Amino acid sequence: EAQVTQNPRYLITVTGKKLTVTCSQNMNHEYMSWYRQDPGLGLRQIYYSMNVEVTDKGDVPEGYKVSRKEKRNFPLILESPSPNQTSLYFCASSSGQSYNEQFFGPGTRLTVL
Amino acid sequence: DAKTTQPNSMESNEEEPVHLPCNHSTISGTDYIHWYRQLPSQGPEYVIHGLTSNVNNRMASLAIAEDRKSSTLILHRATLRDAAVYYCILRDPSTGTASKLTFGTGTRLQVTL
Repeated sequence: EAQVTQNPRYLITVTGKKLTVTCSQNMNHEYMSWYRQDPGLGLRQIYYSMNVEVTDKGDVPEGYKVSRKEKRNFPLILESPSPNQTSLYFCASSSGQSYNEQFFGPGTRLTVL
Repeated sequence: DAKTTQPNSMESNEEEPVHLPCNHSTISGTDYIHWYRQLPSQGPEYVIHGLTSNVNNRMASLAIAEDRKSSTLILHRATLRDAAVYYCILRDPSTGTASKLTFGTGTRLQVTL
């Protein structure tokens, strides 16, 4: 089944404790991205990757890092999480055609205390 | 990016058709009109997209005005499973950021028995 998976689905952590949210897709998609969703602000793009070893900032990249060492994986790294990063995070992927549909993961709900 | 305007919420009875409107008066000639929806506790999912002509797929129909300044997503027979937030998004594949989806606040569709 074609899908985007994220782990963990839920995470409660404390300020400053490094964490990684993994994202994996099995559709051989070139493009992957991370969004965060907050009440009243909608979904906002954090980082995106056009292909392996090619990443770039989205609209709200501060406090986040990403890497794209393999085509299928696109982890989101929070080196020193802060409470304002408490949010619902979604990973998405799509094929190279920029107007193609994007496939979203199920989401990761992160709480930073 | 060209903006879209949608009603905050709509209601429908089950088994009835639903017409979800979207205004995009500043749309450019190369903007595609995309619709995504987000079911409760899930990531967004693609519904349909079009450029100028009306489009049909297994999920819905997209009716695009002749001047392209508005469009309507049509669910032919709403079911309880169609209760979601529906997003109308413009994407220009000629720009480098075409793969980013800019989500507004969307229309929350409620479906009742």
